[in-house]
Amino acid sequence: NAGVTQTPKFQVLKTGQSMTLQCAQDMNHEYMSWYRQDPGMGLRLIHYSVGAGITDQGEVPNGYNVSRSTTEDFPLRLLSAAPSQTSVYFCASSYSMYRGPNYEQYFGPGTRLTVT
Amino acid sequence: AQRVTQPEKLLSVFKGAPVELKCNYSYSGSPELFWYVQYSRQRLQLLLRHISRESIKGFTADLNKGETSFHLKKPFAQEEDSAMYYCALSPSGGYNKLIFGAGTRLAVHP
Repeated sequence: NAGVTQTPKFQVLKTGQSMTLQCAQDMNHEYMSWYRQDPGMGLRLIHYSVGAGITDQGEVPNGYNVSRSTTEDFPLRLLSAAPSQTSVYFCASSYSMYRGPNYEQYFGPGTRLTVT
Repeated sequence: AQRVTQPEKLLSVFKGAPVELKCNYSYSGSPELFWYVQYSRQRLQLLLRHISRESIKGFTADLNKGETSFHLKKPFAQEEDSAMYYCALSPSGGYNKLIFGAGTRLAVHP
């Protein structure tokens, strides 16, 4: 299994540009999520999905859109990039969306985004 | 408000010394607590969770509800323990969400 994969690894955007960060998992996990990590701060939840066709907002959703058309993929769209969105983005997935023995999130390697 | 605080950005110790990475949380319900670790050039991964009461790589962590703490401990640090450690909280009653602390970098010197 490849686990959770993210593309691209690095990206530089200009203010106002749009782009999509890709995330895929091959573990048949129903729960997927996007986090951003900024210097001196912990990971913060942007959006999450509890299954195909179901998404919801996390702590910092403004400026981002998501969709979940398949179990495997959970892309994150930046509609109009701003310098405040410069960050490292992590995608994660887990087998169960409820707390319990299978409550482990598997993380992707991250995408480092710079907006100038 | 739900919050996880890791007061130390950097913890520097010598090999063989005891290690304690501090984690305090603010949450009124019944949380689940986790420690995640990120080694150099590797992805973030689960180290241990409080409900399992397990010892992983010599690390243990006990949930103290009275002090709202979940400190990570190891009696004898090894150089390979050098990494970034994140404490995380999962609130009760909701979907699989994690609230992370800012992380502590552990540096173990020979």
